Amino acid sequence: KAGVTQTPRYLIKTRGQQVTLSCSPISGHRSVSWYQQTPGQGLQFLFEYFSETQRNKGNFPGRFSGRQFSNSRSEMNVSTLELGDSALYLCASSLAGGGSEKLFFGSGTQLSVL
Amino acid sequence: DAKTTQPNSMESNEEEPVHLPCNHSTISGTDYIHWYRQLPSQGPEYVIHGLTSNVNNRMASLAIAEDRKSSTLILHRATLRDAAVYYCIPGTYKYIFGTGTRLKVLA
Repeated sequence: KAGVTQTPRYLIKTRGQQVTLSCSPISGHRSVSWYQQTPGQGLQFLFEYFSETQRNKGNFPGRFSGRQFSNSRSEMNVSTLELGDSALYLCASSLAGGGSEKLFFGSGTQLSVL
Repeated sequence: DAKTTQPNSMESNEEEPVHLPCNHSTISGTDYIHWYRQLPSQGPEYVIHGLTSNVNNRMASLAIAEDRKSSTLILHRATLRDAAVYYCIPGTYKYIFGTGTRLKVLA
């Protein structure tokens, strides 16, 4: 069974640009969550999608958005990039996002904003 | 929000047991307690989870206090490959990882 796949693995952008990251969950998983990881702030929750609907949201500005497609694949978008958006972006999937379920993480997309 | 408290870092000698503590005093009665770890340059991986009883799997053991306000992840024989950041998360807030405990294993 294939794991969680994130593309691209590395990305370099400049300030003011926008970026779209992709996450393909494990087959059969319908919940996808996104995280930002920086050395100073640790792993911070961005949002969670289930059945194409955003169900939970972290404390990030509106420049960060996401969506989920009918096949459960998810994308996140960051508009008007800032230097502080440089981070490792991780996604995780689970069957339905229930409190007893395991999360399965991808390897992440390393975003550098110059 | 449920809050967890973990030590920032711990050290262990190779082949010795490691006990990683976590306080989650505001956990609700139906929250599972999850533990994940993140090896260098990788995404987090599931370690173990439990509700009330102590749990064992091939990776670790989880000891949950009777009042459920704290738990301890036990690595029975630490290896160099166990060097990672360990996160303790109550189930309802399973998305809030915090900064975890960085475990250093000494050869």
